[in-house]
Amino acid sequence: DQQVKQNSPSLSVQEGRISILNCDYTNSMFDYFLWYKKYPAEGPTFLISISSIKDKNEDGRFTVFLNKSAKHLSLHIVPSQPGDSAVYFCAASMEYGNKLVFGAGTILRVKS
Amino acid sequence: ETGVTQTPRHLVMGMTNKKSLKCEQHLGHNAMYWYKQSAKKPLELMFVYNFKEQTENNSVPSRFSPECPNSSHLFLHLHTLQPEDSALYLCASSVVGGGTGELFFGEGSRLTVL
Repeated sequence: DQQVKQNSPSLSVQEGRISILNCDYTNSMFDYFLWYKKYPAEGPTFLISISSIKDKNEDGRFTVFLNKSAKHLSLHIVPSQPGDSAVYFCAASMEYGNKLVFGAGTILRVKS
Repeated sequence: ETGVTQTPRHLVMGMTNKKSLKCEQHLGHNAMYWYKQSAKKPLELMFVYNFKEQTENNSVPSRFSPECPNSSHLFLHLHTLQPEDSALYLCASSVVGGGTGELFFGEGSRLTVL
């Protein structure tokens, strides 16, 4: 039973436009949500996070939105750049800094 | 460079071999993890160690045996593996309940079982 779901396996976006990656979760005990980015042959690297007491967190071109009632979060990248092309994983945790439950990932391709 | 180092980066082994994966973190973290990444699947949590004590074994087959001799080192001992165990094995570390809240990952060990 997947507790964190990323239903879009891939997304293709034109350079300069907005990329929106979506994630749904089922466990209402999750309190902390993160996005990771992964390039081939590298480990995942942390991108941005949000705690359940907030509904939005912004860091430069990256914004994460959380809708707790819908158990849904999304990552917005504006403007998208070719270097953003990677696999993006959504993750959730019940405790700050403790084990993460990951989604299956979404492959983002930004075309120039 | 994330401060988490995994060796070897690539490993090919037969089903009867015994090998080990090594992970070392230089971040002063108190928790370490093994994750498995298979193609088109979520990262699967395998083991969690908090302060060197195993706090979670996520129904992992006994052919995978973790060892955490201290809070900076984590091993995954492998024996009599199956071809379906071929995957990318990722080590991570964190500060439970504090720090920046995220897990820091190594670059992974790509395992191929023949």
